[in-house]
Amino acid sequence: QLHLQESGPGLVNPSETLSLTCTVSSGSMNTALYYWDWIRQPPGKGLEWIGSIYYSGSTYYNPSLRSRVTISVDTSKSQFSLRVDSVTAADTAMYYCARQFRSGATSSIYNWGQGTLVTVSS
Amino acid sequence: QSVLTQPPSVSAAPGQKVTISCSGSTSNIGSAYVSWYQQLPGTAPKLLIYDDNKRPSGIPDRFSGSKSDTSATLGITGLQTGDEADYYCGTWDTTLSALVFGGGTKLTVL
Repeated sequence: QLHLQESGPGLVNPSETLSLTCTVSSGSMNTALYYWDWIRQPPGKGLEWIGSIYYSGSTYYNPSLRSRVTISVDTSKSQFSLRVDSVTAADTAMYYCARQFRSGATSSIYNWGQGTLVTVSS
Repeated sequence: QSVLTQPPSVSAAPGQKVTISCSGSTSNIGSAYVSWYQQLPGTAPKLLIYDDNKRPSGIPDRFSGSKSDTSATLGITGLQTGDEADYYCGTWDTTLSALVFGGGTKLTVL
């Protein structure tokens, strides 16, 4: 069973950069039609898709976050990463890494990490 | 403001049936398959329904999905207290080129 684990600082200062890494185990990242996603959930609120990366390096971002977000992948380490620049309190959330199957009209998140809480505060 | 619209909450008694609606537009639900996710308190979401009405292995047939035009519906029969959770619909939006979710619906089993 594929396992995803987020890691990174739980506290980030306002205006600085949030950086998280997701480590994938018990499965290959080089699988066609599967994308590697970051999704976040502010406390008490709903889910927000941040973006996806394919094993080839192609990226797809939420238009509302595109200017501040970078997702990268290192398949040799079975990891993909998230960077969010110039964070504010509004970026405080549980951050999930996930695996999405996308083909034609289908897009579903089959696997989720347990999530990591990131708080933006000085 | 979510792209997909869900009722904030629904409730029903144990053993009863409940439905949760998800309304969108021609650029999302009207042109792509819908998935449903269950998020139990304090846990990560879990895929419940994919491709409008298919269940992943291990999901009981008490859970069902349907779609008509630009709206989708999740149905849960034989409600159990363990079904108390937040439920989210999700799909791809072809105009935004983004995965979009509903705002979530909190199910209370009275």
